[in-house]
Amino acid sequence: DAGVTQSPTHLIKTRGQQVTLRCSPISGHKSVSWYQQVLGQGPQFIFQYYEKEERGRGNFPDRFSARQFPNYSSELNVNALLLGDSALYLCASSPGQRLYEQYFGPGTRLTVT
Amino acid sequence: KQEVTQIPAALSVPEGENLVLNCSFTDSAIYNLQWFRQDPGKGLTSLLLIQSSQREQTSGRLNASLDKSSGRSTLYIAASQPGDSATYLCAVRDDKIIFGKGTRLHILP
Repeated sequence: DAGVTQSPTHLIKTRGQQVTLRCSPISGHKSVSWYQQVLGQGPQFIFQYYEKEERGRGNFPDRFSARQFPNYSSELNVNALLLGDSALYLCASSPGQRLYEQYFGPGTRLTVT
Repeated sequence: KQEVTQIPAALSVPEGENLVLNCSFTDSAIYNLQWFRQDPGKGLTSLLLIQSSQREQTSGRLNASLDKSSGRSTLYIAASQPGDSATYLCAVRDDKIIFGKGTRLHILP
């Protein structure tokens, strides 16, 4: 079975631009969560979506938004990019909300110059 | 506000030794705790998930314990191997998922 997939693998953007990151969960998983991991730190929770509805939001500005599609894939959008948005963006899927093991994708490395 | 701390930040041990990684959290009202492994520049690999009602979980050479009342979890690695070298992260789940900063483990051949 395919694991969690993310695209693109790497991305370079300039300040002020917008970026869209994509995630496909494991087949049958209905929950997708997004995390930002800055070098040397643990992942920071951004969003959780379950059954296409936002079920949790971390402490990130409104420049960050996400959505989940009927096939449970998800997109993370970041507007007006700042240098500090440079990070590894991780997507995780699980069968349900709170009690289930999370499975992570390989991440998208975003560099903002 | 939930905070997760992992000690030590880095650890180097000779191959074959048993070792313990520590994770502490400030709010005991959690649904579960999960241990992950992360290789440099890569995503996270789930190692063990402990539900709040459980005390420990085992997988191969790995054993994780959970003491909710004291806000602590340990990951025990038996007979360490060079391939165990990685960063180990713990994460607790309440309304959100909160990660520690990880322990960078280096096993010396």
